Amino acid sequence: AQSVTQPDIHITVSEGASLELRCNYSYGATPYLFWYVQSPGQGLQLLLKYFSGDTLVQGIKGFEAEFKRSQSSFNLRKPSVHWSDAAEYFCALGVWGNEKLTFGTGTRLTIIP
Amino acid sequence: DTGVSQDPRHKITKRGQNVTFRCDPISEHNRLYWYRQTLGQGPEFLTYFQNEAQLEKSRLLSDRFSAERPKGSFSTLEIQRTEQGDSAMYLCASSLEPGAGEQYFGPGTRLTVT
Repeated sequence: AQSVTQPDIHITVSEGASLELRCNYSYGATPYLFWYVQSPGQGLQLLLKYFSGDTLVQGIKGFEAEFKRSQSSFNLRKPSVHWSDAAEYFCALGVWGNEKLTFGTGTRLTIIP
Repeated sequence: DTGVSQDPRHKITKRGQNVTFRCDPISEHNRLYWYRQTLGQGPEFLTYFQNEAQLEKSRLLSDRFSAERPKGSFSTLEIQRTEQGDSAMYLCASSLEPGAGEQYFGPGTRLTVT
């Protein structure tokens, strides 16, 4: 069975600083990978996705993520965070032929002035 | 495109009562999903519809839970004889793409069982 691990439960970053959120997965083949963001009391918004091809993917709101097969990782990055980026971030995995997404436990991002 | 909508947004009920939630997917999306999210956790898959057919159910979906999608449009999720452990956010998502393609999520229904 597939799984997703987000090792950091909570990260605090200063506004304007760079950000990297970690995501590791376990699956026997190349999965589909997603990053979603959830603001308090809200549903999930898709930031970016990796299906195949270029391992560096660009998303909305200035986010990017890099798929590294050798490390089974799909880390999310942003060069300069804004106060509005404070939210919960979820990494998710999908598998061809299986309709469900498997989510990690999330990383809560706090931005300090 | 008005997005995925869910109703109600919040529901407080007493243990043992039945509750029903509604999800309206993006109009042209034929795939609809239900997930459950408890505090401090990521969403967990409950069930999936393609048009009106319920094609997959998680073991999390006990016999107190039932979901329908009549005519392949909106969907309902009913929980009978609610328990305190059912307290969670229930998320609905829809998709046009097969096989774990991009899923669009609604705002969720937060259920509190007292």
